[in-house]
Amino acid sequence: QVQLVQSGAEVKKPGASVKVSCEASGYTFTDNYIHWVRQAPGQGLEWMGWINPTGGGTDYAQTFQGRLTMTRDTSTTSVYMELSRLTSDDTATYYCARDWRHVFDYWGQGTLVTVSS
Amino acid sequence: EIILTQSPATVSLSPGERATLSCGASQSVSSDYLAWYQQRPGLAPRLLIYDASTRATGIPDRFSGSGSGTDFTLTISRLEPADFAVYYCQQYGSSPRTFGPGTRVDI
Repeated sequence: QVQLVQSGAEVKKPGASVKVSCEASGYTFTDNYIHWVRQAPGQGLEWMGWINPTGGGTDYAQTFQGRLTMTRDTSTTSVYMELSRLTSDDTATYYCARDWRHVFDYWGQGTLVTVSS
Repeated sequence: EIILTQSPATVSLSPGERATLSCGASQSVSSDYLAWYQQRPGLAPRLLIYDASTRATGIPDRFSGSGSGTDFTLTISRLEPADFAVYYCQQYGSSPRTFGPGTRVDI
């Protein structure tokens, strides 16, 4: 069965970077793009961008341009989301999600990133 | 960027009742590429509807989607206890993908 398993919760200081992993299994890794979506506490969903596991191509939301990097490792069927220059506004649960016909059919369990001094 | 609005923000209903949730777009959604997701507390969102009206795999037929262009609706015909959650619409017809602010369905 399709699974996306994310790394554990992180606590970071303002100005630091965080890198969250998402390991995919149960399907052919290179067949589907992976997106990242975040959700601040008690708030709605915000799309961050996608990565194409085949060639590593990416597309990021303008909001995150310059401080967001998505990468992938085909040998471990994992994708990574790194966000730099963190502020308290980046405190959120970060989700990876599989793209299927342009919608998100499978989601990871979420990774809480807390930014606090 | 397409802005999505959802109404009502919160609706209070009882099991067995019908829920009608609305999603409006600031401009026409290309190819009616509009999806609905359900999010229960503490869990990741779950895909319910895509292409405005197609139920995702395993979604019961009490969930239905309709609409086109700028106005879309999610209907839950007979609410069950597990349906009390937050529902988000999302457009994927243009970049960036955007979500609505959500509608909470409360008991």
